[in-house]
Amino acid sequence: DAKTTQPPSMDCAEGRAANLPCNHSTISGNEYVYWYRQIHSQGPQYIIHGLKNNETNEMASLIITEDRKSSTLILPHATLRDTAVYYCIVGYNNAGNMLTFGGGTRLMVKP
Amino acid sequence: GAGVSQSPRYKVAKRGQDVALRCDPISGHVSLFWYQQALGQGPEFLTYFQNEAQLDKSGLPSDRFFAERPEGSVSTLKIQRTQQEDSAVYLCASSSPPPDTQYFGPGTRLTVL
Repeated sequence: DAKTTQPPSMDCAEGRAANLPCNHSTISGNEYVYWYRQIHSQGPQYIIHGLKNNETNEMASLIITEDRKSSTLILPHATLRDTAVYYCIVGYNNAGNMLTFGGGTRLMVKP
Repeated sequence: GAGVSQSPRYKVAKRGQDVALRCDPISGHVSLFWYQQALGQGPEFLTYFQNEAQLDKSGLPSDRFFAERPEGSVSTLKIQRTQQEDSAVYLCASSSPPPDTQYFGPGTRLTVL
């Protein structure tokens, strides 16, 4: 599986958009980009995933560059409860494909 | 609906003791994964089941670690003769075809003294 690179930490003001970048320059053609987050003392929580097109759901938007070598997770209106470690993961969308977590980005939303 | 549950949530063991950690996946989920998360690190894969079959155990760190899922639902991760380096949070996740996202439980925090 391809590796990902994320900044170790970011701050965001409450109510503003949080834009979390991820580099995955070695991604292969049929690998997906997944985002999970982990709030303190909880298990990871799925946010969103995509292959080539931008995706949006009730939690976030995922913007994938045309060359697929990087992506950005957007939380449109960050709240204090969005404070968490955010993991960008690339992998195949097959049954049994384990997730390979990196260090993630620790997002701190401040009032 | 009910999510993935794990028990116990916290376990303290003396070095050398055996422990058993339980995972109840989401009902009907075919795939089940175990991960280990050391303090300050991201989760790392341990093993994978499809129904009752253990298809990948490449992440188990030693032969002291053993996992089973005899009826294709509940799974148990057993660690024999625990060592201090086994202290970590053990996470269970389940998913179902078509290839779906993994849903994680809250984890079991194991502390070996």
